[in-house]
Parts: sequence; C-alpha cells; structure tokens
Amino acid sequence: GAGVSQSPRYKVAKRGQDVALRCDPISGHVSLFWYQQALGQGPEFLTYFQNEAQLDKSGLPSDRFFAERPEGSVSTLKIQRTQQEDSAVYLCASSRGGQPETQYFGPGTRLLVL
Amino acid sequence: AQSVTQPDIHITVSEGASLELRCNYSYGATPYLFWYVQSPGQGLQLLLKYFSGDTLVQGIKGFEAEFKRSQSSFNLRKPSVHWSDAAEYFCGVGTGGFKTIFGAGTRLFVKA
Repeated sequence: GAGVSQSPRYKVAKRGQDVALRCDPISGHVSLFWYQQALGQGPEFLTYFQNEAQLDKSGLPSDRFFAERPEGSVSTLKIQRTQQEDSAVYLCASSRGGQPETQYFGPGTRLLVL
Repeated sequence: AQSVTQPDIHITVSEGASLELRCNYSYGATPYLFWYVQSPGQGLQLLLKYFSGDTLVQGIKGFEAEFKRSQSSFNLRKPSVHWSDAAEYFCGVGTGGFKTIFGAGTRLFVKA
C-alpha cells in the first residue's frame, strides 16, 4: 500500500478486556516498530521487529503487552486485561531495513480504557 | 541514559515570522537525529534527518536544522512560517540500536 495503515483507528475498551491492534506496514519494509504515545507526550518505544523476529521488546510496559509479526508483514499488538493507564495512542512505523533508516508512521490507534 | 529535551512545550509565532524550535539530546556517541511533525489525529511525518556529514540539513516544507555537537543540540528553523505549519513537532534521537527516543514535543501555534 501507499503507507502504513492501522486498525481500528479508535477503540474503547472496558477495564479488564483484551484488545488487539493491527498494523499493516509498507510493502517490503523489513523493520516494524510499535510506539505508545500518551496524551501530551512524545512517542515511547515499545518493541521492534526485523521480519518476523522480535529483536527488542524492552519497551513493553508489562507482561500484559504482547506483539507478534508471524509472517514478517502484518503485526498485531495485543493488550490483555486492559487498565486505564493503557489509554494512549499506539503508533506503528515501518522502515526498509536496518538502522539508521527513516521510519514511516501510521495514523495510530487511539485506545480509551474505561 | 539517552534522552531528548524539547524545552518549549508550546510556541506562538506570527505568520511570516521566523521560527526556531529547540532540541537538546543526551547520548554518548554521535547520534542519528530526526525532526518529525504531527498534525492532529495523524501519525508522524519526517521533516529532516541527520546521520553524518554536513551539519546543516535541509528538509521538506522549507525547514532546516543544524547539528551542534558542542551544544548537544539539533534546533529546527524556518525563515517564514505559514499558517499550515501549526502542528506538534518532535525531535528524535536514534541510539545506534533500533530505538528512536523522542522528546515530549513542542506545539506550534501560528497567529494571523
């Protein structure tokens, strides 16, 4: 596709529900990143994939957060037993290959946990 | 630890006036530096980047930035601001791994 797409764009969840956020990177991009952006803050790194391999997950805030990219293209960020502090915009980005490389960002998924 | 500081939470400039957004970083080696812009409800769009070479880099939409190693700074400039430049601007540092660390952002308001 022309750019990085994310779905859903908005998600409202009740506390304790599980959610799954999808990212479709630019076709052919090897690297994929997830970021969390709290209100009024800059994006914070969550995790990084090179093809299907998750090379860095140091930014995942708890074991309730899980990301996968099984075929090296589409990625899913899953949050189990959502908490109010999980409310944020979740941004996905992709790039052609290894660093340093320009990252292309999707529009984000805005998650609100009630 | 690596960090990025954008000292100004928000800035207001008049249309046609010049703009400078400040960015300071903390990183032990030569960093990879980025400026991104984010419009409401949108993802981040790259304005410009510095990896090596000439310390004055040109970007899209008439923006430029200068890497000053001695000051650990990478300030963004534009000689004449347009109303469409109103947005949030993020400075980022690539740390040599695969992470980019972002500052908290500076929101630009443009008045007529």
